[in-house]
Amino acid sequence: DVKVTQSSRYLVKRTGEKVFLECVQDMDHENMFWYRQDPGLGLRLIYFSYDVKMKEKGDIPEGYSVSREKKERFSLILESTSTNQTSMYLCASSLLDRRTGGEQYFGPGTRLTVT
Amino acid sequence: AQSVTQPDIHITVSEGASLELRCNYSYGATPYLFWYVQSPGQGLQLLLKYFSGDTLVQGIKGFEAEFKRSQSSFNLRKPSVHWSDAAEYFCAQRDSNYQLIWGAGTKLIIKP
Repeated sequence: DVKVTQSSRYLVKRTGEKVFLECVQDMDHENMFWYRQDPGLGLRLIYFSYDVKMKEKGDIPEGYSVSREKKERFSLILESTSTNQTSMYLCASSLLDRRTGGEQYFGPGTRLTVT
Repeated sequence: AQSVTQPDIHITVSEGASLELRCNYSYGATPYLFWYVQSPGQGLQLLLKYFSGDTLVQGIKGFEAEFKRSQSSFNLRKPSVHWSDAAEYFCAQRDSNYQLIWGAGTKLIIKP
């Protein structure tokens, strides 16, 4: 089974602090994704990556950056947190393979609270 | 722009009753479609997928979905729900860049 792990389940940070969320997948997937999920707004894509050192902006990249130095690891960085970044953050990965359909596999999520 | 619509924000069903969650997609002659479930405080788990072949697909946990091209729909069904099915359900469609276009989700509430 595909396993996607995220470094923390819960985080509480103060406004202005730096946050580093790490995601690791163990199935050699090319694609990795960071989403945030808020009540009533569904899943919104922050950034995604098709390969090592490659990154693409999603729908809401402002206030975030990412890093992908190794294929299995995709990190989301909040340089200076603000209260409007309080949210659930979900990482996902998928194969770049037409035969599989491109389904994404998710980690358990990190609930970040910024006070 | 592509979109996926789940018209029901909440659905309440009695335990043991049948369930149908609606999903409409907007793009693609041969769409790649998915249903995911999210239990409270958890990540999303893939229930089932469709991208070719039989239009009735079986998934995990006793769920199935039917692809209807004429109605641009991919509705999720279960003959008899259990209290453990209470969760949020998301429909998604893959685009040409391997990204998923997500519906807003339907929260399923089970009445005892």
